[in-house]
Amino acid sequence: GAVVSQHPSRVICKSGTSVKIECRSLDFQATTMFWYRQFPKQSLMLMATSNEGSKATYEQGVEKDKFLINHASLTLSTLTVTSAHPEDSSFYICSASPGGELEAFFGQGTRLTVV
Amino acid sequence: GQNIDQPTEMTATEGAIVQINCTYQTSGFNGLFWYQQHAGEAPTFLSYNVLDGLEEKGRFSSFLSRSKGYSYLLLKELQMKDSASYLCAVRDGDYKLSFGAGTTVTVRA
Repeated sequence: GAVVSQHPSRVICKSGTSVKIECRSLDFQATTMFWYRQFPKQSLMLMATSNEGSKATYEQGVEKDKFLINHASLTLSTLTVTSAHPEDSSFYICSASPGGELEAFFGQGTRLTVV
Repeated sequence: GQNIDQPTEMTATEGAIVQINCTYQTSGFNGLFWYQQHAGEAPTFLSYNVLDGLEEKGRFSSFLSRSKGYSYLLLKELQMKDSASYLCAVRDGDYKLSFGAGTTVTVRA
């Protein structure tokens, strides 16, 4: 099946610094990728839709200046958490689909801890 | 926004059958998905329904009724490794995937 790779799997950063998370579709092209955040024992909450070659679409309540998304190619989207704070500590997951009726495939997730 | 409801927790015995229900209200519909998620890991795909009816895949089956906004995931011959969270997700008219809160299934010996 299709593979989506997410890196890093775990990151610890100091409060006030920025962290970049990469999401790659390894064997298909994805014009659209999605970024989710999941807090402990809660479901995945869609943060934004990453569109190749254009601006990302953010869900209500998600700060676009804090969560910068870049989708520069058909196989790579990046999420940068800027000026991270402890409340940004969470599990971040990306997904992508080969398109059409096919299911979305998820990256391995990134556990971000801000200290 | 989307509204997707599923039970919070279910417990069953090894070898038994468990049915997880999901009801939804979305703006547009392009399919319903079930994912399995173990703690600390990303979700893995289980099943997909876009037309009414039952889709069977080994020990797992999923049913959809679009007119009722209803789906269920049926897990048969439960094994201990099936203990996990099961997520119902609906793809809307914009092809965005929204998730329910998840149902934690605990399988007991």
